[in-house]
Amino acid sequence: NAGVTQTPKFRILKIGQSMTLQCAQDMNHNYMYWYRQDPGMGLKLIYYSVGAGITDKGEVPNGYNVSRSTTEDFPLRLELAAPSQTSVYFCASSQGNTGELFFGEGSRLTVL
Amino acid sequence: GEDVEQSLFLSVREGDSSVINCTYTDSSSTYLYWYKQEPGAGLQLLTYIFSNMDMKQDQRLTVLLNKKDKHLSLRIADTQTGDSAIYFCAERADSWGKLQFGAGTQVVVTP
Repeated sequence: NAGVTQTPKFRILKIGQSMTLQCAQDMNHNYMYWYRQDPGMGLKLIYYSVGAGITDKGEVPNGYNVSRSTTEDFPLRLELAAPSQTSVYFCASSQGNTGELFFGEGSRLTVL
Repeated sequence: GEDVEQSLFLSVREGDSSVINCTYTDSSSTYLYWYKQEPGAGLQLLTYIFSNMDMKQDQRLTVLLNKKDKHLSLRIADTQTGDSAIYFCAERADSWGKLQFGAGTQVVVTP
């Protein structure tokens, strides 16, 4: 069972570069989320989606963009990478009833 | 500051019980959760409790909810070395399934 798959697992970017973190789920979940995890800070919500074609900002959306063209995929785009975006990024999905989130294994991004 | 607060570290001896505490601020939270994160991995749901419950037991895990004090705790009985991980408390505050996480409690189990 694949669940939630994130790629890449690791990436180093230079300041000002752009990249896309990929996220795919095979559980037919309507709800998908992007979180970032910084040491000692817990997880902060970047963007979320309640279905294909519908996205909305979370707590820390600046510097990021998302799209949701299909139920399965929810890519996160970083434009003009900054050192403050060095973090571990987690994608998650949910059926939405009990709110149980299924997480990917994370993508560790370093911006130098 | 964090809407969900947890202590950052807990050390426990193998075989003892662990108790991880959490306070939250949103009295309208419908569900409260405990997630576990092992090194290099994503978070996995351990258990959750609906806001109209006071207690939930699931094998070695016991969750207690005090709505008056907005306090949630997770007790792990007979703690094992495999229980070493970071434990996150989270509350669900809206119908879109968005969760507010605490900073996580690092649990270290010593022999």
